[in-house]
Amino acid sequence: QQQVKQSPQSLIVQKGGISIINCAYENTAFDYFPWYQQFPGKGPALLIAIRPDVSEKKEGRFTISFNKSAKQFSLHIMDSQPGDSATYFCAAYGNFNKFYFGSGTKLNVKP
Amino acid sequence: DGGITQSPKYLFRKEGQNVTLSCEQNLNHDAMYWYRQDPGQGLRLIYYSQIVNDFQKGDIAEGYSVSREKKESFPLTVTSAQKNPTAFYLCASSIYGASGSSGNEQFFGPGTRLTVL
Repeated sequence: QQQVKQSPQSLIVQKGGISIINCAYENTAFDYFPWYQQFPGKGPALLIAIRPDVSEKKEGRFTISFNKSAKQFSLHIMDSQPGDSATYFCAAYGNFNKFYFGSGTKLNVKP
Repeated sequence: DGGITQSPKYLFRKEGQNVTLSCEQNLNHDAMYWYRQDPGQGLRLIYYSQIVNDFQKGDIAEGYSVSREKKESFPLTVTSAQKNPTAFYLCASSIYGASGSSGNEQFFGPGTRLTVL
């Protein structure tokens, strides 16, 4: 059973546009939801994370929106830039001592 | 300069060989993880360790083995039993069992690309 479902699989956005990636989770015991950014041939880098006691967290152009009742969270990239082109992974963590990852979204920001 | 190091960056294995991938961290994290990533795919958990001298199987442990003799080191051995080992291997670490907004941050190393000849 896939614990974290991520969509879309790929996304093309024009420079300056908003990129939106969605994730849904099953287990209500999850209490930490990070997003990672991965460039080709590199390890994933922690981008931004949220805990379920808040509905939104913003860091620069990156915002996480969190809907606890719907068990969904999303990443919004405002003013998307070609340098944002990468693969993005959502994840969830609870008291199981391991992280559950989404399948990834490949973002392509066109100049 | 804190972080996670993995070596080698590229590794080639012949059929029937065992190879060991190194992972070292100086972040003083208790928990360490090994993931496998295939081209265009997500991350699959191989093994994880919450504390020295203890580790648990992940989703795809068959054909792999690990040890955790020191807090800062978590080497992964890809055995000859792993029939399709060509992949990108990622090591990660996180603080174990801590509460608070920063307590669960997981950091990744730069990865090792393993190719079977």
